[in-house]
Amino acid sequence: EPEVTQTPSHQVTQMGQEVILRCVPISNHLYFYWYRQILGQKVEFLVSFYNNEISEKSEIFDDQFSVERPDGSNFTLKIRSTKLEDSAMYFCASSGQGGYNEQFFGPGTRLTVL
Amino acid sequence: QKEVEQNSGPLSVPEGAIASLNCTYSDRGSQSFFWYRQYSGKSPELITFIYSNGDKEDGRFTAQLNKASQYVSLLIRDSQPSDSATYLCAVSGSGGNYQLIWGAGTKLIIKP
Repeated sequence: EPEVTQTPSHQVTQMGQEVILRCVPISNHLYFYWYRQILGQKVEFLVSFYNNEISEKSEIFDDQFSVERPDGSNFTLKIRSTKLEDSAMYFCASSGQGGYNEQFFGPGTRLTVL
Repeated sequence: QKEVEQNSGPLSVPEGAIASLNCTYSDRGSQSFFWYRQYSGKSPELITFIYSNGDKEDGRFTAQLNKASQYVSLLIRDSQPSDSATYLCAVSGSGGNYQLIWGAGTKLIIKP
């Protein structure tokens, strides 16, 4: 069964450093999302992406964040200058039809900022 | 501020019984409603979804939606110890806003 994959599974970085989190969505999906979950808290929407552009973003997704689809398979989230409060699980999701349809999640990347 | 509310639990149910999980949402225009299961340290896993008022059966899982009451529920029949997890209710927005708004989850414990 097709699945979303994410790399790395765990990333440790120093405050102020740039990180890139990578995702390979399900191959025929067209809509891509990033969510994060701080330990013990709710899942929070960051950004959605369709047709090579951002379609929605939350207040969390400020100028420190960016997303890119550098080729036909990868979808990346970049955090330019990490802060301690960026420590969280970051989940990538994809959807075949987008809109109001179901989203499938990858296993997540645990980001630890020291 | 759009909100999704769930009882945090834990909800303890004997093995083989029916587990009933509830969720309310604030955005009356919401179109789609999802139940995800999350094991500790893992990603959310889609269990089922519902778009229209009424019931939707998906194996042992039944989603129920009442848009007038802004209420969605999940029934798990013949509960198994492997169903022990946190169940997350997620609701999509309205007016072209497709992001999922999440509840904090209900922790379910199935006792053998």
